[in-house]
Amino acid sequence: AIRMTQSPSSFSASTGDRVTITCRASQGISSYLAWYQQKPEKAPKLLIYAASTLQSGVPSRFSGSGSGIDFNLTISCLQSEDFASYYCQQYYSNPYTFGQGTKLEIK
Amino acid sequence: QVQLQESGPGLVKPSETLSLTCTVSGGSISSYYWSWIRQPPGKGLEWIGYVSYSGSANYNPSLKSRVTISVDTSKNQFSLKLSSVTAADTAVYYCATSRSSTLVSFHMWGQGTMVTVSS
Repeated sequence: AIRMTQSPSSFSASTGDRVTITCRASQGISSYLAWYQQKPEKAPKLLIYAASTLQSGVPSRFSGSGSGIDFNLTISCLQSEDFASYYCQQYYSNPYTFGQGTKLEIK
Repeated sequence: QVQLQESGPGLVKPSETLSLTCTVSGGSISSYYWSWIRQPPGKGLEWIGYVSYSGSANYNPSLKSRVTISVDTSKNQFSLKLSSVTAADTAVYYCATSRSSTLVSFHMWGQGTMVTVSS
């Protein structure tokens, strides 16, 4: 199975900050990568697929980049509603695996 | 707007079979691919498997020997059966949908249902 490793596992930031979360695949996955946001007691929400395509309805302050092994999720100007956990997921091959998550907290 | 809703027992005894159903509303199940994903308390996400509207299924190899996912197009539902459960199967179970068998990102999710395995 392809292992997805996110960094950092958690960090604190302030409203208005620009933040980047990294996801590394244990082998090349082309652009078969998605990013999700999950708030407590809620289902994950798809933010980005195909590494950089914004899902309909997702604010443009979210962006994704990368291909192959290394990927980034960037939030350009943090809003209060962005404090949540974020997961990457590869869909290059079965089993479709997720990163361990990054918890973004308010500083 | 397609909506998904999980249903089923919240408590299952060890060694028994966990059975959940996902009802699709606001759209037809005769498109897209339909998945089950789980999340143990305080932990990350694990894809269990998917079924297509035609009934073709694909499973996570780590669970394949215990999992069956099926679709009932007449009821706009799909179902999960996980046999021989243990405490390690305690989790929130989500149903979700993806656009195709190659674009397996999950653009719509149910709210999730907690299943506890305990005697």
